[in-house]
Amino acid sequence: AQKITQTQPGMFVQEKEAVTLDCTYDTSDQSYGLFWYKQPSSGEMIFLIYQGSYDEQNATEGRYSLNFQKARKSANLVISASQLGDSAMYFCAMREGPYDYKLSFGAGTTVTVRA
Amino acid sequence: DVKVTQSSRYLVKRTGEKVFLECVQDMDHENMFWYRQDPGLGLRLIYFSYDVKMKEKGDIPEGYSVSREKKERFSLILESASTNQTSMYLCASTSQGAYGYTFGSGTRLTVV
Repeated sequence: AQKITQTQPGMFVQEKEAVTLDCTYDTSDQSYGLFWYKQPSSGEMIFLIYQGSYDEQNATEGRYSLNFQKARKSANLVISASQLGDSAMYFCAMREGPYDYKLSFGAGTTVTVRA
Repeated sequence: DVKVTQSSRYLVKRTGEKVFLECVQDMDHENMFWYRQDPGLGLRLIYFSYDVKMKEKGDIPEGYSVSREKKERFSLILESASTNQTSMYLCASTSQGAYGYTFGSGTRLTVV
């Protein structure tokens, strides 16, 4: 079964608007971590934000916030005030258990920011 | 600046060739990973290693092997390259107890 599901292959957003990227996950572990990465056309993977399963507050990093809904197994990324430089592929990923360092990735969502 | 270095950015190989993809990290990380990235499939784990000379299969190990003789170096080997191994290959590393992963810039391999 797919551990990470990203249902939006591609999205367009107007500059300065907010965009929400969907991510649902599947795990039976109580301890897990959720990540979002950005991959611009250059190919590098850039870490954006992390949410631990026991974190009570939603994670935020600058213009990025993670809407964590544990009961729904949802970890959506919100990018506020979109910029042209936000155009990229975005991946949601999960690490299960405290001692397992493997990451499972979703299929990714391509975001295109329009001027 | 700490980094993960993949030896080649682009590589073209012929079917049946033995191919080596090298990955070196300078952060003294214990854990290293090889992923392949394909459109619509995201990143899929091929092999990983949590220590020198240790290796474990990921989700898609068929057709690949790995070598980790030194802590800083993790090599991916395609024993006999096939066209369905044309892909982007990404190496990553992390330390024990950390949640931050550092990725290399990727190797785009084309098998003809």
